[in-house]
Amino acid sequence: AQSVAQPEDQVNVAEGNPLTVKCTYSVSGNPYLFWYVQYPNRGLQFLLKYITGDNLVKGSYGFEAEFNKSQTSFHLKKPSALVSDSALYFCAVRDGGATNKLIFGTGTLLAVQP
Amino acid sequence: DGGITQSPKYLFRKEGQNVTLSCEQNLNHDAMYWYRQDPGQGLRLIYYSQIVNDFQKGDIAEGYSVSREKKESFPLTVTSAQKNPTAFYLCATTTPGSSYEQYFGPGTRLTVT
Repeated sequence: AQSVAQPEDQVNVAEGNPLTVKCTYSVSGNPYLFWYVQYPNRGLQFLLKYITGDNLVKGSYGFEAEFNKSQTSFHLKKPSALVSDSALYFCAVRDGGATNKLIFGTGTLLAVQP
Repeated sequence: DGGITQSPKYLFRKEGQNVTLSCEQNLNHDAMYWYRQDPGQGLRLIYYSQIVNDFQKGDIAEGYSVSREKKESFPLTVTSAQKNPTAFYLCATTTPGSSYEQYFGPGTRLTVT
């Protein structure tokens, strides 16, 4: 079965410093991987995806993610964190088959201190 | 949140009452999904529908029911059989042939006392 893991419940970073939010995956076949962000009491917003091609994927709001097949990881990164980046981040993988279901990680709370 | 609306934003009910959460979309997407979000547990799939008049159970369907009479609408009923209904409920859509990312509504926070 497809799955993703987010090993950190919370990540703390100072404003202006680079940030990394970790995600590892377990899939059979080629992975379709996604990152979403959620602000308090809001729905999830799509940030970026990896389907195929370049291992470095660029997304919204200056975020990028690096796909690493050998380490089965898809870490989210940003060169310089903003206080407004503070939110809950979810990694997801597409389930196999024709259902287009997504399997979500448990989320990582990013806190950026001024 | 795009063209997906969920209403109401906050909902309060007494234990033992059924309650229906609305999800409407104007994106012309075929597939729609209902998730439940609890702190520290991520999103769990309740039901999904890939086409009008058809839907399938997700991972935690017990105590919930849905209908899909129109492409635009996918209401979720939380029945009195659901043991722990208090949660944040999210509706999402996607369209076949896309890269499978899902688009989410703003959510409904249900509190049952």
